[in-house]
Amino acid sequence: NAGVTQTPKFQVLKTGQSMTLQCAQDMNHNSMYWYRQDPGMGLRLIYYSASEGTTDKGEVPNGYNVSRLNKREFSLRLESAAPSQTSVYFCASRLPRTGNYGYTFGSGTRLTVV
Amino acid sequence: KNEVEQSPQNLTAQEGEFITINCSYSVGISALHWLQQHPGGGIVSLFMLSSGKKKHGRLIATINIQEKHSSLHITASHPRDSAVYICAVRSTNFGNEKLTFGTGTRLTIIP
Repeated sequence: NAGVTQTPKFQVLKTGQSMTLQCAQDMNHNSMYWYRQDPGMGLRLIYYSASEGTTDKGEVPNGYNVSRLNKREFSLRLESAAPSQTSVYFCASRLPRTGNYGYTFGSGTRLTVV
Repeated sequence: KNEVEQSPQNLTAQEGEFITINCSYSVGISALHWLQQHPGGGIVSLFMLSSGKKKHGRLIATINIQEKHSSLHITASHPRDSAVYICAVRSTNFGNEKLTFGTGTRLTIIP
């Protein structure tokens, strides 16, 4: 099915462990994004990639790294997980780099750091 | 004060009622998005507006740029409309890639 695929859907980490959240889209979209969603707060942008080969920090990049592996894939890495990174993570994509076009979201990854 | 404020935070209504969810913002925008987050967590894009009004099925979204306000209406509401509705704006102040999200309106439709 066309869309944005995120893996895993659920993950429990111990403090200090590392992991990579995977995201892939098959819609030939140029822009891809990682957001986190915390209770009582709106989604916040962690990192984005406006096009293949570029990445930029969003509002809350500390503790994360990203890789735009190719046009389809945009991964988010937690090098040393902290309890403050417990959240639901969403990957999203959008067709053009500029202009008013809608977003397609993945189904989310619920991460708990203990 | 948040840049994007939604009201109400929670809304419970009977099946068939007309629903209105409001979104006010405080910055200049190039576009406003309405999103739906299902109880299972997935997020679906409903509308993107830069002016006027859009309609899709029983959903209608309007925006008043001068008043910095948007509304999402649902006609003939149904229990399957139960979800969190999220307003997000793309600000002209912070470049094309930044969306600022409201905290959402949780809608529950009772049969």
